[in-house]
Amino acid sequence: LAKITQPISMDSYEGQEVNITCSHNNIATNDYITWYQQFPSQGPRFIIQGYKTKVTNEVASLFIPADRKSSTLSLPRVSLSDTAVYYCLVGDNGTNAGKSTFGDGTTLTVKP
Amino acid sequence: DGGITQSPKYLFRKEGQNVTLSCEQNLNHDAMYWYRQDPGQGLRLIYYSQIVNDFQKGDIAEGYSVSREKKESFPLTVTSAQKNPTAFYLCASSMAGRSMYEQYFGPGTRLTVT
Repeated sequence: LAKITQPISMDSYEGQEVNITCSHNNIATNDYITWYQQFPSQGPRFIIQGYKTKVTNEVASLFIPADRKSSTLSLPRVSLSDTAVYYCLVGDNGTNAGKSTFGDGTTLTVKP
Repeated sequence: DGGITQSPKYLFRKEGQNVTLSCEQNLNHDAMYWYRQDPGQGLRLIYYSQIVNDFQKGDIAEGYSVSREKKESFPLTVTSAQKNPTAFYLCASSMAGRSMYEQYFGPGTRLTVT
């Protein structure tokens, strides 16, 4: 299974764009990359998922380079309510489907 | 209103007792998962199930047991063999296949064993 590394914490200010990078050097061919957001004492919430190149939805973008050994979650124009822990998840839709690995999370603090 | 429910929200037990955590979903999802989260740490997979009557061990299955008799339900039993059971337990579900990892999480159960 992929070993995942994320920065422990990041600080930003309201209105700025935030980029959080996840390293997954031994990602397998069948693995997808997913990002989740978690507030204290709540379950994580799905943000975005991708396999390669760029994926964009209404809340974030996900950039995955050609070698897929890292991925970057981009949050445009953050607000105070984006203060949370962000987790990168790498998981397999093949023979190990269901056995996924979460990173340890990046605590994002957005300041006024 | 579709979603995942976990009960209870808080649970207190004495050391040496088994305890069962409930997880129910009405999203018609095939796959269900149990995770453990310790303070300031990420999520670790305990067990997962992709279909009724079948489940697999995750990374930290020792001291835990599960059953999947119905598609909607995936209860987790924390046995007395689990050396350090106090933690926040999260249940999740997802569709199988392409969106396997778009997981929907319940609100969690915080278990305290003394």
